[in-house]
Amino acid sequence: DQQVKQNSPSLSVQEGRISILNCDYTNSMFDYFLWYKKYPAEGPTFLISISSIKDKNEDGRFTVFLNKSAKHLSLHIVPSQPGDSAVYFCAVHGQNFVFGPGTRLSVLP
Amino acid sequence: NAGVTQTPKFQVLKTGQSMTLQCAQDMNHNSMYWYRQDPGMGLRLIYYSASEGTTDKGEVPNGYNVSRLNKREFSLRLESAAPSQTSVYFCASSENFLNTEAFFGQGTRLTVV
Repeated sequence: DQQVKQNSPSLSVQEGRISILNCDYTNSMFDYFLWYKKYPAEGPTFLISISSIKDKNEDGRFTVFLNKSAKHLSLHIVPSQPGDSAVYFCAVHGQNFVFGPGTRLSVLP
Repeated sequence: NAGVTQTPKFQVLKTGQSMTLQCAQDMNHNSMYWYRQDPGMGLRLIYYSASEGTTDKGEVPNGYNVSRLNKREFSLRLESAAPSQTSVYFCASSENFLNTEAFFGQGTRLTVV
């Protein structure tokens, strides 16, 4: 049973528009939440994180929202750029890091 | 500053062969991890080392062993490779075990035939 779900395997967005990637988790004990970006043939790279005591964290074009009651995490990218095209993994930290299956984002010029 | 370095980048093994994947980090991180990535399944934790001198099983440890050789190095060994172990393997490290982001190596693409 997956502890972290990313129900959209893929997402296409027009350049300049907002990209919204979603993540759901099952365990309310998770206390730290992260997003990673992965390009082909490279390792994942850390993008942004949020602790369970916050509901929003912003870093430039990237904002992560946490809804603890719904056990839901989302990443907003605005404006989206073609270089944002990658696979995005949601990850949670409880006893150790647990990753979701990823969402492939394509930003179309 | 190389970050996390994995060797080799590619490997083909025959069923039953053994091999060790090497990982080293130069960031003075306390915690290190081995993951495998399979299509549609994200990254799954094989083993981790929360600090030098300790190792623990992750989600999918069967068929693997690990050694935390020192603070810098964390190796993953396949004693008798099976086709089900065909995957991309990633090593990662983090400053501490809790509430810090992990940094990943470039990955090792392993094929077992």
